[in-house]
Amino acid sequence: EAGVAQSPRYKIIEKRQSVAFWCNPISGHATLYWYQQILGQGPKLLIQFQNNGVVDDSQLPKDRFSAERLKGVDSTLKIQPAKLEDSAVYLCASSLLPGEQFFGPGTRLTVL
Amino acid sequence: QQQVKQSPQSLIVQKGGISIINCAYENTAFDYFPWYQQFPGKGPALLIAIRPDVSEKKEGRFTISFNKSAKQFSLHIMDSQPGDSATYFCAAPGNTPLVFGKGTRLSVIA
Repeated sequence: EAGVAQSPRYKIIEKRQSVAFWCNPISGHATLYWYQQILGQGPKLLIQFQNNGVVDDSQLPKDRFSAERLKGVDSTLKIQPAKLEDSAVYLCASSLLPGEQFFGPGTRLTVL
Repeated sequence: QQQVKQSPQSLIVQKGGISIINCAYENTAFDYFPWYQQFPGKGPALLIAIRPDVSEKKEGRFTISFNKSAKQFSLHIMDSQPGDSATYFCAAPGNTPLVFGKGTRLSVIA
């Protein structure tokens, strides 16, 4: 079974630039999550999708972050404009059951 | 928002020894408590999980002990191996599906 795919794996941008991350979940997983993991911390949920609808985006900084999941499969997370404190690993996960989440390898973002 | 307190932050264990990581949570509205293992450059991977209707679950060298009244659960790694060196996260349900602890960096030395 193929795992969760993410791209790019690494991204370096300057502050105030825009960046987008892509995620392809495990086939058949209706639920998709985007997490932010700052160095030395646990993952923090940014947004949760059920199919192509948003279930929870309470911790998404909506003034600069946006996410979509068209057709209930792939998803993109965008940051515009980026700030220095956005430097982190952005993890995508998918699941059939709420606790049994399968994570992708993440995208390491560095904002200079 | 659910708070999850994990300890210790880091742990060094001799090969063959027992690694113990603890986790304390606040709310018990849900019924699933997992541990995730993360290697450098990789995403977290589900290691083992427990539901609160049992006090212990064992899978190979990994055991979760659950104390519902104390709102605590712990991960025990028996016969720890260098390949177990990773960061371990406990998680508990909250307003979002899972709230993660800050992680424990385990180093198993020969």
